Amino acid sequence: SQQGEEDPQALSIQEGENATMNCSYKTSINNLQWYRQNSGRGLVHLILIRSNEREKHSGRLRVTLDTSKKSSSLLITASRAADTASYFCATAPSGTYKYIFGTGTRLKVLA
Amino acid sequence: NAGVTQTPKFRVLKTGQSMTLLCAQDMNHEYMYWYRQDPGMGLRLIHYSVGEGTTAKGEVPDGYNVSRLKKQNFLLGLESAAPSQTSVYFCASSYQGGGNIQYFGAGTRLSVL
Repeated sequence: SQQGEEDPQALSIQEGENATMNCSYKTSINNLQWYRQNSGRGLVHLILIRSNEREKHSGRLRVTLDTSKKSSSLLITASRAADTASYFCATAPSGTYKYIFGTGTRLKVLA
Repeated sequence: NAGVTQTPKFRVLKTGQSMTLLCAQDMNHEYMYWYRQDPGMGLRLIHYSVGEGTTAKGEVPDGYNVSRLKKQNFLLGLESAAPSQTSVYFCASSYQGGGNIQYFGAGTRLSVL
């Protein structure tokens, strides 16, 4: 079963709008990571948030983590057409290296 | 600065044939991973390695074997390919500490007819 589940599965917004996607997981974790995948390419790491952190920022990205609800959200502010991609969360149960990726959110930013 | 390199990029096999996918990283990373990605799905972990000479099973290991004879290389083998193994395969590596941020290759697109 998937450790991480993202929603929505797909999101279409206008350039300049904000995009929010959510991830849920099932076990205790050390950290949660978000990755981006452009069509036909490998994944690229965006941001990591540790289990003892509640919020983290990196440029136009803001990630929150709620360990009590086992959920995380990724906010992309002032979106651009170049943000069009699939976004995945990834976690590994504490003490393991068995990373599990969610099914992803496909974001389309319309110019 | 090559990062993670996967070869080949594309391959077509017939059912029952065998092949080896090669992953090479030049970042001196301890950990390496093989994933498969099917349409509309996230990545699923096949096998991983936490160091030279070590391998371990991931979420979907059946039908695959791996070897890590050198720190920089991680090989994924299909002994008898099946149509269900048609997929895009990604290799990744990470360093100990730093949260195990993974660096991915560009992928190998495999079709089994």
